[in-house]
Amino acid sequence: NAGVTQTPKFQVLKTGQSMTLQCAQDMNHNSMYWYRQDPGMGLRLIYYSASEGTTDKGEVPNGYNVSRLNKREFSLRLESAAPSQTSVYFCASSEWTSGSDEQYFGPGTRLTVT
Amino acid sequence: AQTVTQSQPEMSVQEAETVTLSCTYDTSESNYYLFWYKQPPSRQMILVIRQEAYKQQNATENRFSVNFQKAAKSFSLKISDSQLGDTAMYFCAFMKPWGRSEKLVFGKGTKLTVNP
Repeated sequence: NAGVTQTPKFQVLKTGQSMTLQCAQDMNHNSMYWYRQDPGMGLRLIYYSASEGTTDKGEVPNGYNVSRLNKREFSLRLESAAPSQTSVYFCASSEWTSGSDEQYFGPGTRLTVT
Repeated sequence: AQTVTQSQPEMSVQEAETVTLSCTYDTSESNYYLFWYKQPPSRQMILVIRQEAYKQQNATENRFSVNFQKAAKSFSLKISDSQLGDTAMYFCAFMKPWGRSEKLVFGKGTKLTVNP
């Protein structure tokens, strides 16, 4: 039981390049999330998916797209990377029951855009 | 929109002593959840403790306990018998269950250093 896995762990991009961050969970959770963490800012929600086939914007969605490929996988795409997207990206998952369940986080991806 | 404020960017404590991290939040909701997450240098986000707003009793997990003051919208974390492994960033987070997903709102964090 690996929990939430993310690939890659590190990535360096040039401005204007595109890439996809991958996330997978093996806990059969319905909900999945993408956050970014910037120094001094805490974690901010980019996009989330309440269930397979649905996605919604979070607090900071501009410049990103997401795909909920199936129940296990939730990817985050940067179409044209900008230096402002330099950050650490976390994927998380949770199971909606009464709305009190814990979010489980992946190990994060450190992305640098030059 | 809900906001979470952690007013102490950095704190330090001697090993075996007790330290309290502060958190305040702003919401008009009556039913919600509060969390403390720990992020060690490994970067992994680890849940330390959770509190349901409808429960008056303060949550406790081993050396970690909270002081939840609903009227004051305050949610502080007390770490007793501090250990070197407690050195980490600590994030306070608010969650209002919304539809079929739970969205967390995080504070900016407090960097805690435990000194030997």
